[in-house]
Amino acid sequence: DAGVIQSPRHEVTEMGQEVTLRCKPISGHNSLFWYRQTMMRGLELLIYFNNNVPIDDSGMPEDRFSAKMPNASFSTLKIQPSEPRDSAVYFCATSGRQGGYEQYFGPGTRLTVT
Amino acid sequence: GENVEQHPSTLSVQEGDSAVIKCTYSDSASNYFPWYKQELGKGPQLIIDIRSNVGEKKDQRIAVTLNKTAKHFSLHITETQPEDSAVYFCAASKNTGFQKLVFGTGTRLLVSP
Repeated sequence: DAGVIQSPRHEVTEMGQEVTLRCKPISGHNSLFWYRQTMMRGLELLIYFNNNVPIDDSGMPEDRFSAKMPNASFSTLKIQPSEPRDSAVYFCATSGRQGGYEQYFGPGTRLTVT
Repeated sequence: GENVEQHPSTLSVQEGDSAVIKCTYSDSASNYFPWYKQELGKGPQLIIDIRSNVGEKKDQRIAVTLNKTAKHFSLHITETQPEDSAVYFCAASKNTGFQKLVFGTGTRLLVSP
């Protein structure tokens, strides 16, 4: 299995631009999590999907952030408009059973907003 | 909500020594405690986990212990090797419909040859 796949691996954009991060979960996993990692705040859960349905988005920082999971093999995290404080590494993780337990992380997308 | 504290923030050991990383959690309802290893430029990798019905779990050179009464859990690495150098994160969650992991702040482990 290829594991969780994320793209792009690196993204540099200017403030105000739209950014879309992509995730392909491990085949057969029905739970998907988006995390953000920064030095100041560590690893934070942004949103959780189960069977393609958003279950908990309480970690989404602002309305500028949105996430979708149109099918079992694809999810996106979008930031519009982007701001310098959004610079972070964004991880997608997936789990094989409803809600967990074991979560497997992708390699992450390093986002830099200038 | 749950709060997880992790110590130390950095740990330097000589190759072959043991390393211990400790975490405490606040929510007595938490029942799942994974440990992740994150190497530079990579995503966190699950290395071991323990559930609240077990006090200790071992996998080769890695072991995790759990003290539910004190709300402590620890990662023990024996016979450390340079390739063990990484950032280690503990986490805690309670399975109330879905598993929301709350992570510690991480421990940077450096194993010197």
